[in-house]
Amino acid sequence: DAGITQSPRHKVTETGTPVTLRCHQTENHRYMYWYRQDPGHGLRLIHYSYGVKDTDKGEVSDGYSVSRSKTEDFLLTLESATSSQTSVYFCAISGTSGRQGDTQYFGPGTRLTVL
Amino acid sequence: DQQVKQNSPSLSVQEGRISILNCDYTNSMFDYFLWYKKYPAEGPTFLISISSIKDKNEDGRFTVFLNKSAKHLSLHIVPSQPGDSAVYFCAASGRGGNKLTFGTGTQLKVEL
Repeated sequence: DAGITQSPRHKVTETGTPVTLRCHQTENHRYMYWYRQDPGHGLRLIHYSYGVKDTDKGEVSDGYSVSRSKTEDFLLTLESATSSQTSVYFCAISGTSGRQGDTQYFGPGTRLTVL
Repeated sequence: DQQVKQNSPSLSVQEGRISILNCDYTNSMFDYFLWYKKYPAEGPTFLISISSIKDKNEDGRFTVFLNKSAKHLSLHIVPSQPGDSAVYFCAASGRGGNKLTFGTGTQLKVEL
């Protein structure tokens, strides 16, 4: 298994509070991603990073921000959590060698509940 | 606008039989396709992939077939085992990016 950890694994918070989820990798991979998984929607990309301090928006980026100050860490922040952000969040990583670089490896997920 | 579609939310097969999971895509720029398996409370795990220059890729019990003209791919599992019971996601990527677009998943149940 790829060395990817996510913290916390579970979190319950209240509407309007800030929340930060952390993804940590030990693979030295260039690309990192944040997804959310919801019933009927599969996995949807929130933000991704293609290097330290280099990030871009995904399909469902509204209400989320990210930061990557080190190769190994990618943070996802909900500035003011809403109930619609209740979801399971997955971090993923990938390398860059050819089309095999498209293969992403996922962390164990964080279940976030916003009350 | 769902660019990758898995129209069967669930599939049930008997142990030892073949499982066939289907996936359709609409974006003609997709040229690399992947299947992931997901167990409850775990992250998705990579299963098998195929490039658009091929029409078949095999890895043990798992075979992926790609029909570019129909924009359709399928995952065959032979023989199916109870441990294969999971949600299977189809994903696709295009040139110039490392971004994947996922389908909504198919829940496979392999019964004894």
